[in-house]
Amino acid sequence: SQTIHQWPATLVQPVGSPLSLECTVEGTSNPNLYWYRQAAGRGLQLLFYSVGIGQISSEVPQNLSASRPQDRQFILSSKKLLLSDSGFYLCAWSYVIQDSYEQYFGPGTRLTVT
Amino acid sequence: QKEVEQDPGPLSVPEGAIVSLNCTYSNSAFQYFMWYRQYSRKGPELLMYTYSSGNKEDGRFTAQVDKSSKYISLFIRDSQPSDSATYLCAMSEWQGKLIFGQGTELSVKP
Repeated sequence: SQTIHQWPATLVQPVGSPLSLECTVEGTSNPNLYWYRQAAGRGLQLLFYSVGIGQISSEVPQNLSASRPQDRQFILSSKKLLLSDSGFYLCAWSYVIQDSYEQYFGPGTRLTVT
Repeated sequence: QKEVEQDPGPLSVPEGAIVSLNCTYSNSAFQYFMWYRQYSRKGPELLMYTYSSGNKEDGRFTAQVDKSSKYISLFIRDSQPSDSATYLCAMSEWQGKLIFGQGTELSVKP
């Protein structure tokens, strides 16, 4: 079965500090990978998605970036955090199979920028 | 206008009630419709997935899609306190890019 991991689970960082969040998927190969952010009381906003190693598409202009150094690893980064970067960050994966569009989410990382 | 509209609630019902959760959307190209359940401080869990119009049933859960009205619903029968969570609708016109509703907070009282 497939499993998705995210770490850390919670993080408190000062404004201006760097960020690195990691996501890994087990039990599948060549998945599509996604980063979402969920602000308090709001829906999910897609930040980045990747269909393969080194292939990243950005949905929202911001001071965040994403990388996919390995097939099942997805990293979200920032060089300098802003207060507005606080939120719940979720990684998701989906099968690359025709007509399969379900996405499965990880446990999330709760980021507080102080 | 948002692409997907969902009443945020909160919605409070007694145990055993039938719950109806709904979303409307504006993009007629959406073909793939999903419902997620999210417990507090957890990642969303996929509940139901439907392609195009029609109904889908899984245990106490029924998902309905009416593309002509651009309206989707999730029904929960015999609701339980463990169903208390936020329910998110999501939809897509192509593989991968999901557009989410704001989520409806549901509370089932014993």
